[in-house]
Amino acid sequence: ETGVTQSPTHLIKTRGQQVTLRCSSQSGHNTVSWYQQALGQGPQFIFQYYREEENGRGNFPPRFSGLQFPNYSSELNVNALELDDSALYLCASSLDSGPILFFGPGTRLTVL
Amino acid sequence: QKEVEQNSGPLSVPEGAIASLNCTYSDRVSQSFFWYRQYSGKSPELIMSIYSNGDKEDGRFTAQLNKASQYVSLLIRDSQPSDSATYLCAVYSGGGADGLTFGKGTHLIIQP
Repeated sequence: ETGVTQSPTHLIKTRGQQVTLRCSSQSGHNTVSWYQQALGQGPQFIFQYYREEENGRGNFPPRFSGLQFPNYSSELNVNALELDDSALYLCASSLDSGPILFFGPGTRLTVL
Repeated sequence: QKEVEQNSGPLSVPEGAIASLNCTYSDRVSQSFFWYRQYSGKSPELIMSIYSNGDKEDGRFTAQLNKASQYVSLLIRDSQPSDSATYLCAVYSGGGADGLTFGKGTHLIIQP
């Protein structure tokens, strides 16, 4: 059984740039959720994708967008990066939009 | 606004003792409750889930839920230095729309 994978591991961008983060779900899982974890905070829900559709979204602006592909992998895109976007971005997979999440190793994004 | 509150710690416990971690939540319709362990620089790892009032035991871990008091706790028996980590409480209210709501986590230190 293959676990959740994410790429890249680390990323440094400058303010105003755009970034794309990638995630492959655990085998057998059809749902991907993205979370943002700032230093010293708990993860915050960005959105969830199920069957290639966004079926839930947290309190994040539209410059945070995503995709899910037929193989259930997913991308998180962030436009017009701000300094406060610096965080650990976590992808989690689950089955049928269920709440039992398995997290990937995360992508550490630094915005300068 | 759904909130999950945890004492940030650090909570220092001698090796071999019982570590007790607590969490309160604001949304009365919350259905599912989770404890995640997060080592420094790593992603969260699911260690316990609980859905109904009472206790649930898994090895050295016991989760306790009291929905009337909106309170969930995690007990770790025979604490080991490897249990030193941040423990995140997460709550799910149902439906993919909101994802999991996480607390900020409690930093647990097991002293050898």
